[in-house]
Amino acid sequence: EPEVTQTPSHQVTQMGQEVILRCVPISNHLYFYWYRQILGQKVEFLVSFYNNEISEKSEIFDDQFSVERPDGSNFTLKIRSTKLEDSAMYFCASSESPARNTEAFFGQGTRLTVV
Amino acid sequence: GENVEQHPSTLSVQEGDSAVIKCTYSDSASNYFPWYKQELGKGPQLIIDIRSNVGEKKDQRIAVTLNKTAKHFSLHITETQPEDSAVYFCAASMGGGSQGNLIFGKGTKLSVKP
Repeated sequence: EPEVTQTPSHQVTQMGQEVILRCVPISNHLYFYWYRQILGQKVEFLVSFYNNEISEKSEIFDDQFSVERPDGSNFTLKIRSTKLEDSAMYFCASSESPARNTEAFFGQGTRLTVV
Repeated sequence: GENVEQHPSTLSVQEGDSAVIKCTYSDSASNYFPWYKQELGKGPQLIIDIRSNVGEKKDQRIAVTLNKTAKHFSLHITETQPEDSAVYFCAASMGGGSQGNLIFGKGTKLSVKP
């Protein structure tokens, strides 16, 4: 069964450092998302991406965050200068098309720890 | 914006009993309501979803009901098994495309005791 894969599974970084989280969405999917989940809290939407541009972003997704699809398969989330409060699980998701109500498939997540 | 409330935060049932998790949403424009199961160390996995033109949907032991007037939807799991133990999240969305982002509830930790 096709799945969304994320690397690394765990990333430890020093405060102020840049970090890049990587995702390989399901191959025929066109819509990509990043979500985050702070320990013990709800899953929060960060950004959606379609046709090589951001479709929508939440207030969490400030200037420190950026997304990119550098090639035909990878979808990345970059945090330029990490803060302690960026520590969370980051989930990538993808869906088949921009049509209504298509299922979003989630990856297994990257646990980011900022020290 | 949309806000999703989920209750209870924890639920413990005996194997074989039923479990019910309830969610309410605030934005009447929401029209897609998925439920996700998250096992320890894994990402959320879709288990069932319902759209606003349907009042109830069933898939084996799992059912979801939607009351658009009251803006609430519920997950029902019958004949629970230990492997149903996980965190369950409800979510709401205004659909795909630029409105496809999911707004999640805080989750319900379900424990099924053998």
